[in-house]
Amino acid sequence: ETGVTQTPRHLVMGMTNKKSLKCEQHLGHNAMYWYKQSAKKPLELMFVYNFKEQTENNSVPSRFSPECPNSSHLFLHLHTLQPEDSALYLCASSPSKSGRSNYNEQFFGPGTRLTVL
Amino acid sequence: SQKIEQNSEALNIQEGKTATLTCNYTNYSPAYLQWYRQDPGRGPVFLLLIRENEKEKRKERLKVTFDTTLKQSLFHITASQPADSATYLCALDTGGGNKLTFGTGTQLKVEL
Repeated sequence: ETGVTQTPRHLVMGMTNKKSLKCEQHLGHNAMYWYKQSAKKPLELMFVYNFKEQTENNSVPSRFSPECPNSSHLFLHLHTLQPEDSALYLCASSPSKSGRSNYNEQFFGPGTRLTVL
Repeated sequence: SQKIEQNSEALNIQEGKTATLTCNYTNYSPAYLQWYRQDPGRGPVFLLLIRENEKEKRKERLKVTFDTTLKQSLFHITASQPADSATYLCALDTGGGNKLTFGTGTQLKVEL
């Protein structure tokens, strides 16, 4: 196990539903990330949080709303999604930005497989 | 436009041979490059990081090279085994520390 857990592992929702994805890391890291992985496409970075502050929003539609209440937890709130939002959503964490190269390694959770009907 | 390309979408090799995967990029000047392994239904797992001032990095049967002039990284698995079958992703630092941009990955299959 990587020390990063995600729940639920699978989620099916309708376009009018509201749901949330949860990520928790037990590694003492201060940076957390949301990625989207669609079939045949590279991992797409969605959001980055450093010390609970959002430092990156990669032009993500507002129907995805992240929340980082503390350095160990990250949520992705979903509402009025579209079928093309169906994908594997991955959470990752890493030590905070540092000049030391080995601090940039990212630890990924197993992902939430999301299907939007 | 900025692009990261990994050689073929799929690579099949025989057990015991050396697998060589390629990662090419354009319009980036990354401070470092990373390689990850991803198995079906799971998140990527970090393998190796190489910095811009390093030519080569090794870890057990893995070797990574980084040529910033060619804008290319090669990832080698020597004495390959069926357990090495997975998708391998390269990722570049594109944001000064913790912003990674990933390639599409190469699916490696090691056959008996």
